[in-house]
Amino acid sequence: GENVEQHPSTLSVQEGDSAVIKCTYSDSASNYFPWYKQELGKRPQLIIDIRSNVGEKKDQRIAVTLNKTAKHFSLHITETQPEDSAVYFCAAPGGVSGGYNKLIFGAGTRLAVHP
Amino acid sequence: DTGVSQNPRHKITKRGQNVTFRCDPISEHNRLYWYRQTLGQGPEFLTYFQNEAQLEKSRLLSDRFSAERPKGSFSTLEIQRTEQGDSAMYLCASSLAGTVTEQFFGPGTRLTVL
Repeated sequence: GENVEQHPSTLSVQEGDSAVIKCTYSDSASNYFPWYKQELGKRPQLIIDIRSNVGEKKDQRIAVTLNKTAKHFSLHITETQPEDSAVYFCAAPGGVSGGYNKLIFGAGTRLAVHP
Repeated sequence: DTGVSQNPRHKITKRGQNVTFRCDPISEHNRLYWYRQTLGQGPEFLTYFQNEAQLEKSRLLSDRFSAERPKGSFSTLEIQRTEQGDSAMYLCASSLAGTVTEQFFGPGTRLTVL
């Protein structure tokens, strides 16, 4: 079946430290892996995504790595700042009948960055 | 504002009443998705449209739920005979067609069933 597991559920770091969030997925045909940031009371917003033809992608302080063999991908945030505090969701496409268009989300990681 | 919009933003209703939510996607996007999000969880897929065709429905979508996108632009999600378990944030997203592409989310409609 379709499943995305995300760990940890909560993460607390000091400002300037790095944060790593990990996800595993079950459908080996999945080929697109987005990460969304959701601040309290706001909509989920895409912060970075990766496709299965690359192993790593970086955008300033944020990077995502993908291991297709192991079916896991990770979000790395370096030099964390208080404004990085939010809930982060990983996702993977699922649904053979729909052509892998819907997204299956992990349960989320609540990141707290302390000054 | 050229993003995805949803109305109303909040809805409080009594158990057993019907409610309808509206989503206006980004204008050039022909795919539209509905998700449900409960507190402390990630969004759960409900259904999606490509243009006016409803291409997939989740098993979560009981027969009390119906969604339409009659002209391939805005969409409505109706819940009949609401139950307390329907209380959640209902999120709409849209994307371009093609190989899996970025989904842009609306602000959501928060439903509270008393």
